Amino acid sequence: AQSVTQLDSQVPVFEEAPVELRCNYSSSVSVYLFWYVQYPNQGLQLLLKYLSGSTLVKGINGFEAEFNKSQTSFHLRKPSVHISDTAEYFCAVTLPSNQAGTALIFGKGTTLSVSS
Amino acid sequence: EAGVTQFPSHSVIEKGQTVTLRCDPISGHDNLYWYRRVMGKEIKFLLHFVKESKQDESGMPNNRFLAERTGGTYSTLKVQPAELEDSGVYFCASSQVTGTQHGAFFGQGTRLTVV
Repeated sequence: AQSVTQLDSQVPVFEEAPVELRCNYSSSVSVYLFWYVQYPNQGLQLLLKYLSGSTLVKGINGFEAEFNKSQTSFHLRKPSVHISDTAEYFCAVTLPSNQAGTALIFGKGTTLSVSS
Repeated sequence: EAGVTQFPSHSVIEKGQTVTLRCDPISGHDNLYWYRRVMGKEIKFLLHFVKESKQDESGMPNNRFLAERTGGTYSTLKVQPAELEDSGVYFCASSQVTGTQHGAFFGQGTRLTVV
């Protein structure tokens, strides 16, 4: 079975500072990895995903994440955050499948709070 | 293009009552998923429809939960009778293509509070 651990439940940071949100996963087989963001009063929005290939993936809003197979990690980074990045961020995995989609397995979420 | 729509956005009911949540997926999306987040916990999978068929309902917690997707369009999730532990945010998601590499589009959720 697969599992996801988001190591920080809350990350406070000042505007224009860099940020890293940590995600580790556990799986005996290859997985696809995702980061979703939930802004206040909105649904989850896909930030980026890793399927295969280059281990550094770039997403929307200036976010990027690096897949590290040996450390089973998929940390999310942004070099300079804005107030508008304040949101809850979810790391998720799923099994690769070309059949009808299988379920996403989520971490508990990390609340990023950006202040001026 | 409209996104995934869920309603109501909030529902407060008493223990023992019935509640029905509705999800309208993005038009043309065959795959529809229900997830739930209990406070302080992970978002967890409940079930997955492909068109009107239940592809996977392994996450449904018990037989008080009934999901339907008649006609393969919108879906409903009924909780009857509701218990206190059913409180949480219920998310619906949809995707167009088969295969898990595409992720899914999520609605904003229905916050259910059972008192």
